[in-house]
Amino acid sequence: EDQVTQSPEALRLQEGESSSLNCSYTVSGLRGLFWYRQDPGKGPEFLFTLYSAGEEKEKERLKATLTKKESFLHITAPKPEDSATYLCAVQARTGGFKTIFGAGTRLFVKA
Amino acid sequence: KAGVTQTPRYLIKTRGQQVTLSCSPISGHRSVSWYQQTPGQGLQFLFEYFSETQRNKGNFPGRFSGRQFSNSRSEMNVSTLELGDSALYLCASNGPDNEQFFGPGTRLTVL
Repeated sequence: EDQVTQSPEALRLQEGESSSLNCSYTVSGLRGLFWYRQDPGKGPEFLFTLYSAGEEKEKERLKATLTKKESFLHITAPKPEDSATYLCAVQARTGGFKTIFGAGTRLFVKA
Repeated sequence: KAGVTQTPRYLIKTRGQQVTLSCSPISGHRSVSWYQQTPGQGLQFLFEYFSETQRNKGNFPGRFSGRQFSNSRSEMNVSTLELGDSALYLCASNGPDNEQFFGPGTRLTVL
């Protein structure tokens, strides 16, 4: 069964304190691994797609990496506005757009 | 480019009633997915429609149904509402690179 596990559940950082969020996954043939950001009361916002092990993508203070079993979302020198829930999700090659989401990591960045 | 719109944004119903939610995807996108989000279960896949056909379905009872129209707009229906159906229902417009663009959601409360 396809599964996504994210850790930690919550992470509290000081502004400027870099850290990483983890996403472990099992999927029968990975089509893509996705990272989303969700603010309270809003729908998730697309951040990155990773397709194969070794791939990396960057956007501002965020960098996503992928191995055969897990993905990391590195946050460099975070700011308070980076506070949100970060969701990891996978799609299997044979599943169309059926996407399995992890429970998310709630990130709090204090000024 | 207009984003994903969902109506209504908030809805209060009582047990046993039925409800219909609407979603208009991004112009040009032919596939739409629906998700249920609750604090306990996170984001769970309901179903996906492509060119008016249901292509994938999640593990939800038959009370949950959907459809897609020729203009790609989609509706989902929940019949015989239960208290446990209270959730944020999210529609995603599926992009050409498998990424998903979410609407703001419909917050359904069942009393």
